[in-house]
Amino acid sequence: QKEVEQDPGPLSVPEGAIVSLNCTYSNSAFQYFMWYRQYSRKGPELLMYTYSSGNKEDGRFTAQVDKSSKYISLFIRDSQPSDSATYLCAMSDSYGKLTFGQGTILTVHP
Amino acid sequence: KAGVTQTPRYLIKTRGQQVTLSCSPISGHRSVSWYQQTPGQGLQFLFEYFSETQRNKGNFPGRFSGRQFSNSRSEMNVSTLELGDSALYLCASSLGPDVMSYEQYFGPGTRLTVT
Repeated sequence: QKEVEQDPGPLSVPEGAIVSLNCTYSNSAFQYFMWYRQYSRKGPELLMYTYSSGNKEDGRFTAQVDKSSKYISLFIRDSQPSDSATYLCAMSDSYGKLTFGQGTILTVHP
Repeated sequence: KAGVTQTPRYLIKTRGQQVTLSCSPISGHRSVSWYQQTPGQGLQFLFEYFSETQRNKGNFPGRFSGRQFSNSRSEMNVSTLELGDSALYLCASSLGPDVMSYEQYFGPGTRLTVT
């Protein structure tokens, strides 16, 4: 079993929809939780990061962490075609080594 | 501020050869991590360097090695290439091995094809 599980999708939604992306993990040592966005033929881009359980909002993006359930989510409100990309969750222990989920391919169609 | 740069961007090699990839981190960043990305395995951690020392290592064979120079630039080397080494190799830089190290910024990657 992988330390981080992420539904690879693909996920296809209409423009303006609310998108929910999720990851579960098994390693209790994970303390930092990140979401990356990767466009085709590009490196991953850090979207959001959080340390504690709870919600963190940045514009149309909300990251949610539930450490008791070992579950993290990323919500995208009012999704746009420019949000079409692969979304990767990543987690780190105190030593900074990142463990990534498989990535979810998202397509937002006009 | 310039981002992470990686050279070359594309590379085609033959089985059995060796290859060296280069990464220049963001100015002021002292940690460099390397990752392999494939469709089947996703993004997998290779190793991390800080102050010219390997700080963390992933589960890859000894054919994969790296080093970091005093200016924080890093290289990774793969010897005796196998077909399964075909992948996108990504370099990420961060400030250093402390609480900020989770903020890693990735370069565009080097696409390696082994034939």
